Amino acid sequence: DQQVKQNSPSLSVQEGRISILNCDYTNSMFDYFLWYKKYPAEGPTFLISISSIKDKNEDGRFTVFLNKSAKHLSLHIVPSQPGDSAVYFCAASLMEYGNKLVFGAGTILRVKS
Amino acid sequence: ETGVTQTPRHLVMGMTNKKSLKCEQHLGHNAMYWYKQSAKKPLELMFVYNFKEQTENNSVPSRFSPECPNSSHLFLHLHTLQPEDSALYLCASSQDQEQYNSPLHFGNGTRLTVT
Repeated sequence: DQQVKQNSPSLSVQEGRISILNCDYTNSMFDYFLWYKKYPAEGPTFLISISSIKDKNEDGRFTVFLNKSAKHLSLHIVPSQPGDSAVYFCAASLMEYGNKLVFGAGTILRVKS
Repeated sequence: ETGVTQTPRHLVMGMTNKKSLKCEQHLGHNAMYWYKQSAKKPLELMFVYNFKEQTENNSVPSRFSPECPNSSHLFLHLHTLQPEDSALYLCASSQDQEQYNSPLHFGNGTRLTVT
Protein backbone atom coordinates (compact mmCIF):
# COMPACT_ATOMS: atom_id res chain seq x y z
CA ASP A 1 0.00 0.00 0.00
CA GLN A 2 1.53 3.30 -1.10
CA GLN A 3 2.18 5.72 1.75
CA VAL A 4 2.92 8.62 -0.61
CA LYS A 5 0.59 9.17 -3.52
CA GLN A 6 0.80 11.44 -6.52
CA ASN A 7 -2.57 10.96 -8.12
CA SER A 8 -1.94 12.97 -11.27
CA PRO A 9 0.35 11.04 -13.63
CA SER A 10 0.82 14.12 -15.81
CA LEU A 11 0.20 17.86 -16.00
CA SER A 12 0.43 20.26 -18.93
CA VAL A 13 0.88 24.00 -18.34
CA GLN A 14 1.47 27.03 -20.56
CA GLU A 15 4.79 28.84 -20.19
CA GLY A 16 4.52 31.72 -17.74
CA ARG A 17 1.58 30.23 -15.85
CA ILE A 18 1.59 28.50 -12.48
CA SER A 19 2.23 24.76 -12.19
CA ILE A 20 0.74 23.04 -9.15
CA LEU A 21 1.83 19.50 -8.37
CA ASN A 22 0.04 17.63 -5.60
CA CYS A 23 1.00 14.89 -3.20
CA ASP A 24 -0.92 13.05 -0.48
CA TYR A 25 0.44 10.86 2.28
CA THR A 26 -1.18 8.38 4.61
CA ASN A 27 1.35 8.07 7.44
CA SER A 28 0.70 10.91 9.90
CA MET A 29 4.08 10.24 11.51
CA PHE A 30 5.94 11.66 8.49
CA ASP A 31 7.52 14.95 9.50
CA TYR A 32 9.82 15.85 6.63
CA PHE A 33 8.88 16.22 2.98
CA LEU A 34 10.86 16.75 -0.18
CA TRP A 35 10.43 17.26 -3.89
CA TYR A 36 12.84 15.87 -6.46
CA LYS A 37 12.95 16.59 -10.18
CA LYS A 38 14.05 14.08 -12.83
CA TYR A 39 14.95 14.68 -16.46
CA PRO A 40 15.00 11.75 -18.93
CA ALA A 41 18.13 9.59 -18.71
CA GLU A 42 19.23 11.39 -15.54
CA GLY A 43 18.85 10.66 -11.86
CA PRO A 44 16.49 12.66 -9.64
CA THR A 45 17.83 15.91 -8.22
CA PHE A 46 16.75 17.54 -4.98
CA LEU A 47 14.52 20.58 -5.42
CA ILE A 48 13.02 21.77 -2.14
CA SER A 49 12.00 20.46 1.28
CA ILE A 50 9.78 21.33 4.22
CA SER A 51 9.53 20.12 7.79
CA SER A 52 6.25 19.58 9.57
CA ILE A 53 6.74 22.61 11.82
CA LYS A 54 6.23 24.84 8.79
CA ASP A 55 3.39 25.18 6.33
CA LYS A 56 5.31 26.92 3.56
CA ASN A 57 8.82 27.04 2.21
CA GLU A 58 9.91 29.14 -0.74
CA ASP A 59 12.99 29.03 -2.94
CA GLY A 60 12.89 31.32 -5.94
CA ARG A 61 10.16 30.19 -8.33
CA PHE A 62 9.44 27.09 -6.23
CA THR A 63 7.17 27.02 -3.17
CA VAL A 64 6.09 23.99 -1.21
CA PHE A 65 2.94 24.10 0.91
CA LEU A 66 2.15 21.59 3.64
CA ASN A 67 -1.33 20.93 5.05
CA LYS A 68 -0.79 18.50 7.92
CA SER A 69 -4.44 18.08 8.80
CA ALA A 70 -5.20 17.03 5.23
CA LYS A 71 -1.93 15.09 4.90
CA HIS A 72 -1.34 16.96 1.68
CA LEU A 73 1.50 18.90 0.16
CA SER A 74 1.85 20.76 -3.07
CA LEU A 75 4.62 22.26 -5.17
CA HIS A 76 3.97 25.56 -6.93
CA ILE A 77 6.18 26.72 -9.77
CA VAL A 78 5.71 30.34 -10.80
CA PRO A 79 6.28 31.29 -13.55
CA SER A 80 6.62 27.94 -15.30
CA GLN A 81 9.37 27.63 -17.89
CA PRO A 82 9.92 25.02 -20.63
CA GLY A 83 13.04 23.85 -18.78
CA ASP A 84 10.81 22.83 -15.88
CA SER A 85 9.41 19.99 -18.01
CA ALA A 86 10.42 16.87 -16.06
CA VAL A 87 9.08 14.21 -13.71
CA TYR A 88 8.50 15.51 -10.19
CA PHE A 89 8.68 13.11 -7.25
CA CYS A 90 7.27 13.81 -3.82
CA ALA A 91 9.01 12.07 -0.90
CA ALA A 92 8.46 11.82 2.84
CA SER A 93 10.41 10.64 5.85
CA LEU A 94 10.52 10.52 9.62
CA MET A 95 13.33 12.75 10.86
CA GLU A 96 14.32 10.28 13.57
CA TYR A 97 14.97 7.65 10.90
CA GLY A 98 17.21 9.97 8.94
CA ASN A 99 17.32 9.80 5.19
CA LYS A 100 15.08 6.81 4.52
CA LEU A 101 12.73 8.38 2.00
CA VAL A 102 9.38 7.05 0.81
CA PHE A 103 8.67 8.27 -2.71
CA GLY A 104 5.54 8.82 -4.73
CA ALA A 105 5.26 7.50 -8.29
CA GLY A 106 5.89 10.90 -9.85
CA THR A 107 4.04 13.44 -11.98
CA ILE A 108 5.18 14.33 -15.49
CA LEU A 109 5.09 18.10 -16.00
CA ARG A 110 5.06 19.51 -19.53
CA VAL A 111 5.46 23.25 -19.91
CA LYS A 112 4.39 24.39 -23.36
CA SER A 113 5.99 27.43 -24.97
CA GLU B 1 34.39 12.99 -12.49
CA THR B 2 32.02 14.65 -10.11
CA GLY B 3 28.81 13.55 -8.43
CA VAL B 4 27.54 9.99 -8.51
CA THR B 5 28.54 7.73 -11.39
CA GLN B 6 26.83 4.46 -12.23
CA THR B 7 28.01 1.81 -14.67
CA PRO B 8 26.87 0.31 -16.90
CA ARG B 9 24.07 2.60 -18.13
CA HIS B 10 22.27 -0.32 -19.76
CA LEU B 11 22.46 -4.04 -19.05
CA VAL B 12 20.69 -6.98 -20.65
CA MET B 13 21.13 -10.31 -18.91
CA GLY B 14 19.67 -13.75 -18.99
CA MET B 15 18.09 -15.35 -15.95
CA THR B 16 21.10 -17.59 -15.37
CA ASN B 17 23.72 -14.86 -15.68
CA LYS B 18 25.69 -13.19 -12.91
CA LYS B 19 26.41 -9.49 -13.28
CA SER B 20 27.27 -6.52 -11.08
CA LEU B 21 26.20 -2.89 -11.03
CA LYS B 22 28.74 -0.35 -9.90
CA CYS B 23 28.31 3.02 -8.24
CA GLU B 24 30.97 5.54 -7.29
CA GLN B 25 30.53 8.89 -5.57
CA HIS B 26 32.99 11.76 -5.59
CA LEU B 27 31.17 13.94 -3.05
CA GLY B 28 32.87 12.82 0.15
CA HIS B 29 29.61 11.37 1.43
CA ASN B 30 29.35 8.60 3.99
CA ALA B 31 26.00 7.04 3.09
CA MET B 32 25.10 5.16 -0.07
CA TYR B 33 21.78 3.77 -1.25
CA TRP B 34 20.30 1.46 -3.87
CA TYR B 35 16.83 2.28 -5.18
CA LYS B 36 14.73 0.39 -7.72
CA GLN B 37 12.29 2.12 -10.04
CA SER B 38 9.88 -0.09 -11.95
CA ALA B 39 7.68 1.38 -14.66
CA LYS B 40 5.10 3.85 -13.28
CA LYS B 41 5.88 2.85 -9.70
CA PRO B 42 7.51 4.80 -6.87
CA LEU B 43 11.20 4.53 -6.22
CA GLU B 44 11.69 1.65 -3.78
CA LEU B 45 14.52 1.74 -1.27
CA MET B 46 16.50 -1.51 -1.41
CA PHE B 47 19.65 -1.10 0.67
CA VAL B 48 21.39 1.57 2.73
CA TYR B 49 25.00 1.70 3.85
CA ASN B 50 26.16 4.28 6.37
CA PHE B 51 29.91 4.53 7.02
CA LYS B 52 30.28 1.19 5.19
CA GLU B 53 27.83 -0.61 7.47
CA GLN B 54 24.55 -1.89 6.06
CA THR B 55 21.74 -0.18 7.93
CA GLU B 56 18.78 -1.15 5.78
CA ASN B 57 17.72 -4.20 3.81
CA ASN B 58 14.17 -3.56 2.69
CA SER B 59 13.14 -7.21 2.38
CA VAL B 60 15.08 -7.55 -0.85
CA PRO B 61 15.36 -11.08 -2.33
CA SER B 62 18.74 -12.73 -1.90
CA ARG B 63 19.33 -12.78 -5.65
CA PHE B 64 20.35 -9.13 -5.08
CA SER B 65 23.54 -8.86 -3.04
CA PRO B 66 25.02 -5.46 -2.14
CA GLU B 67 28.64 -4.74 -1.35
CA CYS B 68 30.15 -1.55 0.03
CA PRO B 69 33.95 -1.86 0.27
CA ASN B 70 34.38 1.82 1.22
CA SER B 71 32.28 4.97 1.51
CA SER B 72 32.90 5.89 -2.13
CA HIS B 73 31.93 2.63 -3.82
CA LEU B 74 28.79 0.55 -3.87
CA PHE B 75 28.04 -2.58 -5.86
CA LEU B 76 24.90 -4.58 -6.50
CA HIS B 77 25.63 -8.18 -7.44
CA LEU B 78 22.91 -9.87 -9.44
CA HIS B 79 22.33 -13.60 -9.98
CA THR B 80 19.46 -15.76 -11.20
CA LEU B 81 17.21 -12.77 -11.70
CA GLN B 82 13.63 -12.90 -12.92
CA PRO B 83 12.07 -10.90 -15.77
CA GLU B 84 10.09 -8.87 -13.19
CA ASP B 85 13.42 -7.58 -11.87
CA SER B 86 13.76 -5.52 -15.04
CA ALA B 87 13.83 -1.90 -13.86
CA LEU B 88 15.92 1.22 -13.46
CA TYR B 89 18.37 0.80 -10.59
CA LEU B 90 19.44 4.07 -9.02
CA CYS B 91 22.35 4.64 -6.70
CA ALA B 92 22.40 7.64 -4.37
CA SER B 93 24.64 9.10 -1.71
CA SER B 94 24.24 11.56 1.15
CA GLN B 95 26.44 13.05 3.82
CA ASP B 96 25.13 10.80 6.57
CA GLN B 97 22.08 8.55 6.49
CA GLU B 98 21.09 9.76 9.98
CA GLN B 99 20.90 13.39 8.86
CA TYR B 100 17.34 13.76 7.64
CA ASN B 101 18.04 17.09 5.93
CA SER B 102 21.03 15.89 3.95
CA PRO B 103 19.68 15.56 0.39
CA LEU B 104 20.25 12.44 -1.65
CA HIS B 105 22.41 12.82 -4.74
CA PHE B 106 21.45 10.29 -7.39
CA GLY B 107 23.38 8.74 -10.23
CA ASN B 108 21.84 8.43 -13.69
CA GLY B 109 20.87 4.82 -13.10
CA THR B 110 21.37 1.45 -14.77
CA ARG B 111 18.53 0.29 -17.00
CA LEU B 112 18.38 -3.49 -16.43
CA THR B 113 16.53 -5.87 -18.70
CA VAL B 114 16.26 -9.53 -17.71
CA THR B 115 15.42 -11.86 -20.58
